[in-house]
Amino acid sequence: GNSVTQMEGPVTLSEEAFLTINCTYTATGYPSLFWYVQYPGEGLQLLLKATKADDKGSNKGFEATYRKETTSFHLEKGSVQVSDSAVYFCALSTTSGTYKYIFGTGTRLKVLA
Amino acid sequence: NAGVTQTPKFQVLKTGQSMTLQCAQDMNHNSMYWYRQDPGMGLRLIYYSASEGTTDKGEVPNGYNVSRLNKREFSLRLESAAPSQTSVYFCASRRGLAGGNTGELFFGEGSRLTVL
Repeated sequence: GNSVTQMEGPVTLSEEAFLTINCTYTATGYPSLFWYVQYPGEGLQLLLKATKADDKGSNKGFEATYRKETTSFHLEKGSVQVSDSAVYFCALSTTSGTYKYIFGTGTRLKVLA
Repeated sequence: NAGVTQTPKFQVLKTGQSMTLQCAQDMNHNSMYWYRQDPGMGLRLIYYSASEGTTDKGEVPNGYNVSRLNKREFSLRLESAAPSQTSVYFCASRRGLAGGNTGELFFGEGSRLTVL
């Protein structure tokens, strides 16, 4: 079946450090891939997305590239800020049937000043 | 911009009590979803509604019922609450695929439910 695996947290970084959060997936066909972010006390919101192999999603300095050969969609940011502290979820959606979403377990990021 | 609105935001129940979580979206989306979020388990789909008048079970439907009242509203009901249903519940609606959109989800702020 379809699944998403992302690295365990928490991840603690100093401000301006480089961030990578790993995400790999298992899916049949050609899913769309997403990163969602959840700030404390809030719902999830879309951070970036990619719909086909080699697509790069980007937003607010974050980037992720859809790698079909390694079934990965790793999230990166060159210089994190305290305001990036949140929980990050990798997700895929299938385009067959009822268009369901599969979420990873989330990775908590804490950025220290 | 209201987006997805959930009520209540917090609720404490005793075992065996019933309650309904309300969700409404103002984006004219066809599909709506209910998820629960538990530590270390990510989001798990409880029920979804692909369109007005239809509902289907997700991964963890036991102990829940849903109603898609109209295109805007999708409610989740716990008939006899159990401590295992202590969780944070999120409602979401999905943007359609027209115009090159990729169908991302829009979430409410969540409803934190504690069952004693």
